[in-house]
Amino acid sequence: GQQLNQSPQSMFIQEGEDVSMNCTSSSIFNTWLWYKQDPGEGPVLLIALYKAGELTSNGRLTAQFGITRKDSFLNISASIPSDVGIYFCAGQITGNQFYFGTGTSLTVIP
Amino acid sequence: GAVVSQHPSWVICKSGTSVKIECRSLDFQATTMFWYRQFPKQSLMLMATSNEGSKATYEQGVEKDKFLINHASLTLSTLTVTSAHPEDSSFYICSARPAAGTSGRTDTQYFGPGTRLTVL
Repeated sequence: GQQLNQSPQSMFIQEGEDVSMNCTSSSIFNTWLWYKQDPGEGPVLLIALYKAGELTSNGRLTAQFGITRKDSFLNISASIPSDVGIYFCAGQITGNQFYFGTGTSLTVIP
Repeated sequence: GAVVSQHPSWVICKSGTSVKIECRSLDFQATTMFWYRQFPKQSLMLMATSNEGSKATYEQGVEKDKFLINHASLTLSTLTVTSAHPEDSSFYICSARPAAGTSGRTDTQYFGPGTRLTVL
């Protein structure tokens, strides 16, 4: 099936630093979604992107839908301890065709 | 908006028993619900796609007789793990894709909080 390459796999950063992670694919997607999952919880939708080139913010989070429609990135500015978790990207081709990245584990060191 | 609940949040059962997990869309209708399984520190593994009123579509390698899925209404899908064994212990997560004209977007999935299953 389709694969989403998400990187980096893990990050250890100091509190206050900015974070950047991205997802790439060989396929074209119509929707890009970014989720955060805390331990023992289900993923929570952070940002949804529906148009190529779209840049959307949600507080300290900013995500962009790549112009080629094959990639997306998520940035977190001025990280805080509660940003700790696993971040997943997901892409939708059409209908029920959703594909998930392997996740980026973020650790914020106070 | 677009809230999904799961029940129970955790369950412990004996080997050989069956366990039912419910997934509900609380403020929208969902023609499609997805069931995932997640092992520690791993990504989501799609088990099956469930469409209201029809049979679920299972991913390769997932036993449909082992993991029974019923999507009887636009707000409820259930996953029953039959004759559970310790290797079925895992974190099961459902998600829902909103129907057109209801709360939420049809090109987005909204996840439930997950169910931790432990089989002794």
